[in-house]
Amino acid sequence: AQRVTQPEKLLSVFKGAPVELKCNYSYSGSPELFWYVQYSRQRLQLLLRHISRESIKGFTADLNKGETSFHLKKPFAQEEDSAMYYCALYAQAAGNKLTFGGGTRVLVKP
Amino acid sequence: EAGVVQSPRYKIIEKKQPVAFWCNPISGHNTLYWYLQNLGQGPELLIRYENEEAVDDSQLPKDRFSAERLKGVDSTLKIQPAELGDSAVYLCASSPAGTTGGELFFGEGSRLTVL
Repeated sequence: AQRVTQPEKLLSVFKGAPVELKCNYSYSGSPELFWYVQYSRQRLQLLLRHISRESIKGFTADLNKGETSFHLKKPFAQEEDSAMYYCALYAQAAGNKLTFGGGTRVLVKP
Repeated sequence: EAGVVQSPRYKIIEKKQPVAFWCNPISGHNTLYWYLQNLGQGPELLIRYENEEAVDDSQLPKDRFSAERLKGVDSTLKIQPAELGDSAVYLCASSPAGTTGGELFFGEGSRLTVL
């Protein structure tokens, strides 16, 4: 069965500092990885997907199959980045299931 | 475009009482999901519908939970009877056909408190 681990429950950084959210997964096949974000009082929404290899709101994430990781990075954090971030793995071969990690709360201090 | 709509947003009940949650997905989205989110944890899938068919209900505790999606649009999730451990946020999500199964649109959730 697939599993997603986000080892940090809370990340606190100062505005302008880099931020990196760790995500590790276990799955024997070829997964699709996603990052979802939930801002205060808003619904959970898709931030980015690894297949797009895009930068959204300054965030990037690279899938490292050797290390089974999909860390989310931003070089200069902004206060509006404060939110809950969830890493998720989609496995079509495992019943089309989207599995979420436990989430990391990011707090960007002024 | 209206997003996924859920109601009620908040519900407080006593244990052993029944409760129901309603979800209206985005128009045209044929896949509908119910997720459970416990405090401090990520969402966990309860059930997934393709149109009106429940294609994955392996994580739904069928002794007390039930769900339906009549006509392949709106869906209802019911708990009867509720237990203290059911206190959580119940999330509904939908996705259109032709997209990867990882791109979901979520509702605001229904927060249940069982006393």
